[in-house]
Amino acid sequence: DGGITQSPKYLFRKEGQNVTLSCEQNLNHDAMYWYRQDPGQGLRLIYYSQIVNDFQKGDIAEGYSVSREKKESFPLTVTSAQKNPTAFYLCAGAAANTGELFFGEGSRLTVL
Amino acid sequence: AQSVTQLDSQVPVFEEAPVELRCNYSSSVSVYLFWYVQYPNQGLQLLLKYLSGSTLVKGINGFEAEFNKSQTSFHLRKPSVHISDTAEYFCAVTNRDDKIIFGKGTRLHILP
Repeated sequence: DGGITQSPKYLFRKEGQNVTLSCEQNLNHDAMYWYRQDPGQGLRLIYYSQIVNDFQKGDIAEGYSVSREKKESFPLTVTSAQKNPTAFYLCAGAAANTGELFFGEGSRLTVL
Repeated sequence: AQSVTQLDSQVPVFEEAPVELRCNYSSSVSVYLFWYVQYPNQGLQLLLKYLSGSTLVKGINGFEAEFNKSQTSFHLRKPSVHISDTAEYFCAVTNRDDKIIFGKGTRLHILP
């Protein structure tokens, strides 16, 4: 089955620990995105990548890092510098001709 | 710069009644418009999209939307809602050359 695959779906971490969320795609999308979602705040863009080995900061990049070493993969690391990391994280790939986004199922991170 | 405004953060409606979720956008160039639906603890799914052509767009689950260029609107409608339509709905806009912009979402509550 094709699409955007995020893992894990649920993740718990202690304060001060880094954690990496996985995002894999088999849709051949050049562009990929990471969003953070908090209740009542819609989707906020963390990082995006339009091509392999290149990525740009979104609106709330502080405390996060990404890599794009291959087209299929765009992992997000939530570092200990992120002050309020508990949230729902969404990864998406974009169709080149329309910009339509295809989303994964999301990863819910809870910091204990 | 582009922007999207969803005028209602929450919309309650009785089961089998019609509903309209409002979306206005601003952009200086031609746009592509989207409506996404998000069920609890899931990613976003595409409901429908306007790329060009007919201004009335039909989507999944009986939803439709009308693109109105003069009013810069893209309102979502359904003639008769079901309890299964309870979800959050996001309007989004892109001009293809820029990253997609989302509204803050509208929570649809279906009342029995």
